[in-house]
Amino acid sequence: KNEVEQSPQNLTAQEGEFITINCSYSVGISALHWLQQHPGGGIVSLFMLSSGKKKHGRLIATINIQEKHSSLHITASHPRDSAVYICAVIGRRGSQGNLIFGKGTKLSVKP
Amino acid sequence: NAGVMQNPRHLVRRRGQEARLRCSPMKGHSHVYWYRQLPEEGLKFMVYLQKENIIDESGMPKERFSAEFPKEGPSILRIQQVVRGDSAAYFCASSQSLSGGITDTQYFGPGTRLTVL
Repeated sequence: KNEVEQSPQNLTAQEGEFITINCSYSVGISALHWLQQHPGGGIVSLFMLSSGKKKHGRLIATINIQEKHSSLHITASHPRDSAVYICAVIGRRGSQGNLIFGKGTKLSVKP
Repeated sequence: NAGVMQNPRHLVRRRGQEARLRCSPMKGHSHVYWYRQLPEEGLKFMVYLQKENIIDESGMPKERFSAEFPKEGPSILRIQQVVRGDSAAYFCASSQSLSGGITDTQYFGPGTRLTVL
């Protein structure tokens, strides 16, 4: 079993829909990252959080440390949101660079 | 402020040759991380470096792979005697110095796509 599990693996939505991507992990962590990988391959860090909730524009990330679960929400989705969204955690035992990655959720937003 | 730069963006090597991948961190960043993404697989941590020091190399293959981050110049990921299984995208990321033990956001480079023929 992977230490970081994401669901769903693939997600197709219509423009304007509210989207939720889930991430569950099985190790103790010091922080969790949400990353976006564009179709061209480039990676952008969206959020880093260790508790609570963060919001940036139409993106919201939440984390529940007790339940070892995080969600990434996209409000009013747009075709330009189409990308692979990756959850990654920093285990308490690893160094701060030792990210453990989920396999990603491929999002496709149709116009 | 330029972002994290990696070069080359694409690299083709024949089996047995050496591959050198370069990463220039963002200005003011002294922490560098290398990750590998194999075809159809997720990202995997390889190594974490600070200037002139390897902090964590637990993700590096034991043979043929090495990394350095000298006092001057870019970080280098070196793969000797490449094999077809080394074909992958190699991403570098950088972050600022830690303050008070707080983990810093990592900024990713565009990646180097290595193809071994």
